[in-house]
Amino acid sequence: GDSVTQMEGPVTLSEEAFLTINCTYTATGYPSLFWYVQYPGEGLQLLLKATKADDKGSNKGFEATYRKETTSFHLEKGSVQVSDSAVYFCALGSRNNDMRFGAGTRLTVKP
Amino acid sequence: DAGVTQSPTHLIKTRGQHVTLRCSPISGHKSVSWYQQVLGQGPQFIFQYYEKEERGRGNFPDRFSARQFPNYSSELNVNALLLGDSALYLCASSLSGYNEQFFGPGTRLTVL
Repeated sequence: GDSVTQMEGPVTLSEEAFLTINCTYTATGYPSLFWYVQYPGEGLQLLLKATKADDKGSNKGFEATYRKETTSFHLEKGSVQVSDSAVYFCALGSRNNDMRFGAGTRLTVKP
Repeated sequence: DAGVTQSPTHLIKTRGQHVTLRCSPISGHKSVSWYQQVLGQGPQFIFQYYEKEERGRGNFPDRFSARQFPNYSSELNVNALLLGDSALYLCASSLSGYNEQFFGPGTRLTVL
């Protein structure tokens, strides 16, 4: 069935460092892909999305490109801030009307 | 506009009891989905409802049930609680279920 595999954490970076969190997917057809962020004690917030191949989603300095050839949707940010510390989830919109999530990657950014 | 709201925020139950969790979707959204998030893992799909009909069901036992009301709010019921049911239960709403989903803050259930 449809699934998402994401880079295991935790990831610790210094402020202004470059961030990459890898995400690959397995799916029948061409699902929509998402990155969600979860801050401590809160629910999930949609960070960005892409609905078809070669689409680039972007928000708050984060970017991810839907790569059909490598079945990937890696999250990147050029310069992280302390406030970016959170858990990041890659997800796909399954043809069965549910969202399939990766296990999450915890990011800690130190000043 | 208000986002997705869930109640209660926290809940403590003992094994064998039952629990009802509630969710109100974003105004105009007709689809509600429920997810279980165990500590340290990604959310796992439980149910999706659209226009009061069950549209999808994840791999959860029959102890889990849900329904959606005419105003599109929803309830998740869990019977005969087990220790392993302790988790954050997330509700998400979307326009039709095929769009991106917007999540509520969750209900944290602890089963003792």
